[in-house]
Order: sequence, then C-alpha cells, then structure tokens
Amino acid sequence: SAVISQKPSRDICQRGTSLTIQCQVDSQVTMMFWYRQQPGQSLTLIATANQGSEATYESGFVIDKFPISRPNLTFSTLTVSNMSPEDSSIYLCSVEGQGGEQYFGPGTRLTVT
Amino acid sequence: AQSVAQPEDQVNVAEGNPLTVKCTYSVSGNPYLFWYVQYPNRGLQFLLKYITGDNLVKGSYGFEAEFNKSQTSFHLKKPSALVSDSALYFCAVRDTTSGTYKYIFGTGTRLKVLA
Repeated sequence: SAVISQKPSRDICQRGTSLTIQCQVDSQVTMMFWYRQQPGQSLTLIATANQGSEATYESGFVIDKFPISRPNLTFSTLTVSNMSPEDSSIYLCSVEGQGGEQYFGPGTRLTVT
Repeated sequence: AQSVAQPEDQVNVAEGNPLTVKCTYSVSGNPYLFWYVQYPNRGLQFLLKYITGDNLVKGSYGFEAEFNKSQTSFHLKKPSALVSDSALYFCAVRDTTSGTYKYIFGTGTRLKVLA
C-alpha cells in the first residue's frame, strides 16, 4: 500500500483567489489522480496526472481552472484558480497500487467565501 | 459505458447482525470491482477487490464481497456488524476500455450500525 499526505488539510479562501494543494506519496508511482467530493457524496475525477506529460482532464474540468503539476514520481499539485463558492469541496489525490486498487490521501477541505 | 449503482442511500443494521451493502455494475469486458470505506472526516480506504478468481473475496476488517456475474452484482457483506463499521461505503469499477485507468464510483451507501 501507499501512504499519501496532502497539504493543506483545510482552508478558507476568498472568491477570486487561487489555492494550490500538494500531494506527496511515499513511493514512486506512474499515475496520480485528483478527485473532487462534496461532503457525504460520491467522487468525481478531475484529472489524471502522469509524470513527464500533460495531465488528462475529465469532461467539465479544464486546465486553466485546475492546473496540475507533476514534477516527479512522488509529488503532484492541483491548483484551484479564480475560486468561487461553487468550488467549495473536498479535494482528494490518489495513486494506483500494484493490484489495481487506489490509495487516497486524507483530503483537502476547501471553503470559498 | 461502464457504471456502478448503489441502490440504497442508507442501510441500518443492529450490532451483531449480518450486513449487506448492495452494488450492481454495468461493464463491457471483465469487471475490475472495488469497495472503499470512508469514515467521517477521513479519506477513502480500500477494503477489497475482485479482478479474477474466486467469486467470494475477503478484505479488511472482516468484510467480504460476492461477485455474481449473472446478476451483475458485487454486494459487500459482513457476518456480524460492529458499531465501528458505521461509515460511508463506495463501490467502484475500473474502466478497462478507455486506456485511462479511470475509476467510476457509485453514489455511496451510508451504513449505520445501531448498538
């Protein structure tokens, strides 16, 4: 299994600002995933980030709004840009284990006022 | 398109009783199926998976799930529920057709175990 940490764990931000969320894994992984989850609801995949290539975004998510960096095999960042209250959510990063299962970070709870 | 459905928003069960959390799937090809649990204010934890082999798979915390191909189901079960099992449970399928290794999650079922 992989151990994943995220920073910050929570933040309260003003509309129009940006927040960068960091995700650190304790082992080298090829793919990292970023999800969004409204509290108590299901997960929505934002993008898949491979090291050394551009992230692949899901329908409804664009790079200008959610730029992702993947500088090495253990680290990734997701930026939520020009935030609005609709961006208030929990943001989770994950990696895939050798058996196909995913391991998740603890999440970043974002509130936009 | 691949999908999973969790027909129950909430399941209530008395402590010590068996529990079942339902999941049905729709996939093309062989399914890669997973169960995850989310405790309050925490990230998701992997419970168990089915990729191939025995239809009954065992996972963490005494949970097991039965893969039923004819009914396209992958229900999560536990013989004797604990109050500490109260959490949000997600069924998921891995998309093996698009080449993106994308996961599709169900809407979640809240399990409440009553003392």
